[in-house]
Amino acid sequence: DAMVIQNPRYQVTQFGKPVTLSCSQTLNHNVMYWYQQKSSQAPKLLFHYYDKDFNNEADTPDNFQSRRPNTSFCFLDIRSPGLGDAAMYLCATGSSGIYNEQFFGPGTRLTVL
Amino acid sequence: GQNIDQPTEMTATEGAIVQINCTYQTSGFNGLFWYQQHAGEAPTFLSYNVLDGLEEKGRFSSFLSRSKGYSYLLLKELQMKDSASYLCAPTDSNYQLIWGAGTKLIIKP
Repeated sequence: DAMVIQNPRYQVTQFGKPVTLSCSQTLNHNVMYWYQQKSSQAPKLLFHYYDKDFNNEADTPDNFQSRRPNTSFCFLDIRSPGLGDAAMYLCATGSSGIYNEQFFGPGTRLTVL
Repeated sequence: GQNIDQPTEMTATEGAIVQINCTYQTSGFNGLFWYQQHAGEAPTFLSYNVLDGLEEKGRFSSFLSRSKGYSYLLLKELQMKDSASYLCAPTDSNYQLIWGAGTKLIIKP
């Protein structure tokens, strides 16, 4: 089945220790998104790619970086995680165009100790 | 600015009907999505409205009024598994989804 896969599902890191979250998709969508979601809050868009074109949201901290080496894979790097970065990180894919349904992976729950 | 307003929490009884309202202000508009999100899980697509009126899909229906900046999600014959958060997400002029914080729906037996 076509899907969006995120690894790991749960990640524990120490304050200041870099961490990388991964996302892959078999939907062949040209757009990939990274969201941060904290409890009872809206998903917050961090950045997205249209193909290889990177689009950073204005209020995304520099601590967050992303890579998309090919259509199928996308990575979220948190260079120096702080306690405030503990959240669910959601990867989503979609097609560019008028109808912009987004397909989500299961998410990675990040804990910062 | 862009703003989404929906109730924080609602409670309903199993077997009943519930309506979750959403009002929005966006820079441009290109349709509105509703997503369901169970606790600790990712959002899943429920419905999409781009024209005014009601879209029905089984037990779930969604309504849109573009002139009023208003949508609702109607859930019929509520089941315990419907306990979840429901996220309203209109799209702006750049076709980006603007996410609301969601309405947590609690179903009681």
